[in-house]
Formats: sequence, C-alpha cells, structure tokens
Amino acid sequence: QVQLKESGPGLVQPSQTLSLTCTVSGFSLTSYHVHWVRQPPGKGLEWMGVMWSDGDTSYNSALKSRLSISRDTSKSQVFLKMSSLQTEDTATYYCARITTRGFDYWGQGVMVTVSS
Amino acid sequence: DVVLTQTPVSLSVTLGDQASISCRSSQSLEYSDGYTYLEWYLQKPGQSPQLLIYGVSNRFSGVPDRFIGSGSGTDFTLKISRVEPEDLGVYYCFQATHDPLTFGSGTKLEIK
Repeated sequence: QVQLKESGPGLVQPSQTLSLTCTVSGFSLTSYHVHWVRQPPGKGLEWMGVMWSDGDTSYNSALKSRLSISRDTSKSQVFLKMSSLQTEDTATYYCARITTRGFDYWGQGVMVTVSS
Repeated sequence: DVVLTQTPVSLSVTLGDQASISCRSSQSLEYSDGYTYLEWYLQKPGQSPQLLIYGVSNRFSGVPDRFIGSGSGTDFTLKISRVEPEDLGVYYCFQATHDPLTFGSGTKLEIK
C-alpha cells in the first residue's frame, strides 16, 4: 500500500542545514509528485515545495533561497535540505503525495527543533 | 501570494448539529483549464492532515456524505451536517491553483 515516511535529525543547531528524507512505497516517484509541508508547534500548515514526477522542482518563494528538494528514484526517496536554520524553523515536517484530487497520502511527520 | 481567509477561527458545535466553515480567497481559484483546485483537509489531534474534499465539492474516498463542499471563484464553504465526535480537529482549506500553493489559517472544531 501507499506509504510515506519522513526521517531526519530531531535537533538542529541555529545557522545549520536541515536534511530530511521522505521514503515512499507503493508508488513510483516518476508517476506522482511529492510535496513538503511544515507546521510550527500549535500553528497552521505551510507549503514548502514540490518534487514533480518529471524531476523538476518548485519552491515557496519565501523559502526558495534556503531550500533544495531532490530525489533518488532508485531508492524511492525525496530529500529536503534547508540552510541557515533559525528557531522559527522549528516545526513538524511532512511529505505528502499529491494527485489531481489533492494530497491523498501523508507521512506521519518528523519534528525538528532548532536550538543550541 | 493567494491568501485564504478562514472563518470562524473556532467553532463549538453540539453533536448532531451542523457546522459551517468559510474560506475566502484573495484571488479567483479557477485555473485556466476551468478546474478549481480548492481542497479541504482535517487534522485530527496528533495526526497528519487528511483529505476531505477536492475540486471544491468532491468527497475523497471514504469521506462520509455529511461533508459537503461548495463555492466558486473566491468564496468556498465546507458544511458538516450531523457533527460526530470524530469530526473534531482543525479544518484547513488549501489552494493549488496559484504558485505558491497556500493553506488557510485553519478552523478549530470543538464538540460542546
């Protein structure tokens, strides 16, 4: 069945770079787009960016200068890298599959705390 | 960026009653292909968001017919008839018509 699972460090120091992995199963990254969405504690959802099925990417303009999304189709993994982290980047980070019907499957999320 | 304004911010409803949530967009959400990429999600406590409605009014697989989406252009509504205990959580509208994609700020549904 379709699954997505985020992984990465729970704690990152300010000014450092965050690296997260979204490992998917049950579908091909060359057939579906995978997005990243984050949610600061107690706050709403923020769209971050997308790895399109053709390998292209799009980013939220507010994060574009710090954000990079890539993939390894052989491992069914999508990667997120975000540089120059600050405390306001503390959040739960989700990856989610999207179709024309919306985000139909989400990962469980990974909590990332930015703190020294 | 497209701003989605959700009202109310919170809603307290008696079990069995109806709840209504509004989502107003700062721009029309009708895409050039005629489709409106407006979705509704529910995030239950401690869980990832889950898709309820896509394309304004289409219920996702397994979503009860108590959930009804409507609207067009810039004004959209999610109605939940006969609210049940499992409906509590935060509801978000979301648009994928314009880049960057954006979520509404959320509406918290509580059960009286």
